[in-house]
Amino acid sequence: DIQMTQSPSSLSASVGDRVTITCRASQGIRNDLGWYQQKPGKAPKRLIYAASSLQSGVPSRFSGSGSGTEFTLTISSLQPEDFATYYCLQHNSYPHTFGQGTKLEIK
Amino acid sequence: EVQLVESGGGLVQPGGSLRLSCAASGFTFSSYWMHWVRQAPGKGLVWVSRINSDGSSTSYADSVKGRFTISRDNAKNTLYLQLSSLRAEDTAVYYCARGSPSDYWGQGTLVTVSS
Repeated sequence: DIQMTQSPSSLSASVGDRVTITCRASQGIRNDLGWYQQKPGKAPKRLIYAASSLQSGVPSRFSGSGSGTEFTLTISSLQPEDFATYYCLQHNSYPHTFGQGTKLEIK
Repeated sequence: EVQLVESGGGLVQPGGSLRLSCAASGFTFSSYWMHWVRQAPGKGLVWVSRINSDGSSTSYADSVKGRFTISRDNAKNTLYLQLSSLRAEDTAVYYCARGSPSDYWGQGTLVTVSS
């Protein structure tokens, strides 16, 4: 199984900050990676697919990069509505695996 | 508008069974692979199972293999997950989701396994 190691597990930041979340795959997954945002009591929302493609309707302050085993999600300027938990997901092979999640909190 | 609506969750005793349903609308259901993902209370997301568009191929997480069965009825635009031999650790919100990486998700249905 492919393990996805996501870091950090939590992050405290302020409105306007630039933040980066990283996922590392235990083996190469090409660009078969998505990023999700989840707010309490809600279903996950896809932000990024194919590692770097922005989901329609998602603000351009979100961006993804990487290929192979190293991936990043960057939020260029945090907004109040961005405080949530973020997950990466590899869909290169079964079982699909999520990162452990990054809880982004207000400083 | 794409909609996925799960149902069938509830309280079940250890060793019991339950069938979850996911009613799809707003898209050509028979064209998409579908997934189930679960989330235990306060924990992260865990992929559970997938089925291809015509139902001829399935995959499962090791933790549910042999106990859960995914299926679909394309005539009814409905995805199913049969849960059997349930354990306390199966307690979670179960989401159905479309495609890979899933772009649309249902609101989830809570399964609680407890005596």
